[in-house]
Amino acid sequence: DVKVTQSSRYLVKRTGEKVFLECVQDMDHENMFWYRQDPGLGLRLIYFSYDVKMKEKGDIPEGYSVSREKKERFSLILESASTNQTSMYLCASSLTGDNSPLHFGNGTRLTVT
Amino acid sequence: ILNVEQSPQSLHVQEGDSTNFTCSFPSSNFYALHWYRWETAKSPEALFVMTLNGDEKKKGRISATLNTKEGYSYLYIKGSQPEDSATYLCAFIGAGTGTASKLTFGTGTRLQVTL
Repeated sequence: DVKVTQSSRYLVKRTGEKVFLECVQDMDHENMFWYRQDPGLGLRLIYFSYDVKMKEKGDIPEGYSVSREKKERFSLILESASTNQTSMYLCASSLTGDNSPLHFGNGTRLTVT
Repeated sequence: ILNVEQSPQSLHVQEGDSTNFTCSFPSSNFYALHWYRWETAKSPEALFVMTLNGDEKKKGRISATLNTKEGYSYLYIKGSQPEDSATYLCAFIGAGTGTASKLTFGTGTRLQVTL
């Protein structure tokens, strides 16, 4: 079974802090993704990576950056956390290839106060 | 911006009832449709990836159909059980992209099954 592990289930940070959300997958997947989920909205893609050190912006990249130094690890960075970044963050991975489904982590619920 | 809509937003059924819900997506430039189940406190889990008009997929008591010409997919649950309680998400990929990086998610249908 593919396992996608997010480092924290719940996180509370203060406005202006630099925040790191970590995600590790154990199935050698090429693609990794960061989404956020907010009430009344579908999952929205923040960033994705299709290879080590490669990254592309998703639909809502503002205020975020990412790092992928190793294939299994994809980090989401909030450079200076703001209250509007309070959300549920989901990491996912997938194989390259047509129609590969996403495998998700359990999510990190981040509250910025 | 692609419009992927799911209805109803939420559904409350009794154990043993069969139910279905809808995912609507743009009928032009279809590439693939994904269905996921997201139980509370767990991670979303892939149910189906559908690519062909007329596709029907089945997994236990859950099945899905796809109509790309009119832009909708139905998810059916036969004989609902409490463990089916979850949010069901669909996600659309348009042609010309063809990668999971271009999934557009609906807001989900939240199903609650009671005894």
